[in-house]
Amino acid sequence: GAVVSQHPSWVICKSGTSVKIECRSLDFQATTMFWYRQFPKQSLMLMATSNEGSKATYEQGVEKDKFLINHASLTLSTLTVTSAHPEDSSFYICSAQKGSNQPQHFGDGTRLSIL
Amino acid sequence: AQKITQTQPGMFVQEKEAVTLDCTYDTSDPSYGLFWYKQPSSGEMIFLIYQGSYDQQNATEGRYSLNFQKARKSANLVISASQLGDSAMYFCAMKLTGGGNKLTFGTGTQLKVEL
Repeated sequence: GAVVSQHPSWVICKSGTSVKIECRSLDFQATTMFWYRQFPKQSLMLMATSNEGSKATYEQGVEKDKFLINHASLTLSTLTVTSAHPEDSSFYICSAQKGSNQPQHFGDGTRLSIL
Repeated sequence: AQKITQTQPGMFVQEKEAVTLDCTYDTSDPSYGLFWYKQPSSGEMIFLIYQGSYDQQNATEGRYSLNFQKARKSANLVISASQLGDSAMYFCAMKLTGGGNKLTFGTGTQLKVEL
């Protein structure tokens, strides 16, 4: 199997706080992990590509200082939304890939609500 | 740049019937992969099926098959013997072999299976 665990699944917090989301590949090593954002009834938008041991590659228009990504090991990547505001409220979902010709396997997603 | 188009925002199918979800793509790259994912209302993205651009045969996975027509640049998903649990959002996605493993998603098709 290829199980990806994402935690937490739901976060509600006050404006101005920082929120960390974890993405773990439970039964395989993932050299590459991806972070997506999805608005209601819309498709997934790639935010950044995370490679173990190196800096993440951000997509155009995504603020790297706002969305901090750390990929410290082959099984864990974290996304930190810094100084979150209501407009950051969204569904964030990560994926992990065993190898370049393998499908991406997704976590269950995190629903982030900033009040 | 590559593009994925899903023209059906919503589809209805009766239980036990087959349904085809359309997907067309546009790329000038000769080497690419095509994926279908299912997203239930709970949010997780479930990998269903993969087709490589050089694969000679259409991919099949259980009740899922991919009708790959390379000349028409289409990769339609066929679900046979629909079940109530198939009700979900379905996304077609493409990855260029030399594109850093990034997936480009279509806008999705909401499938509703009825009794």
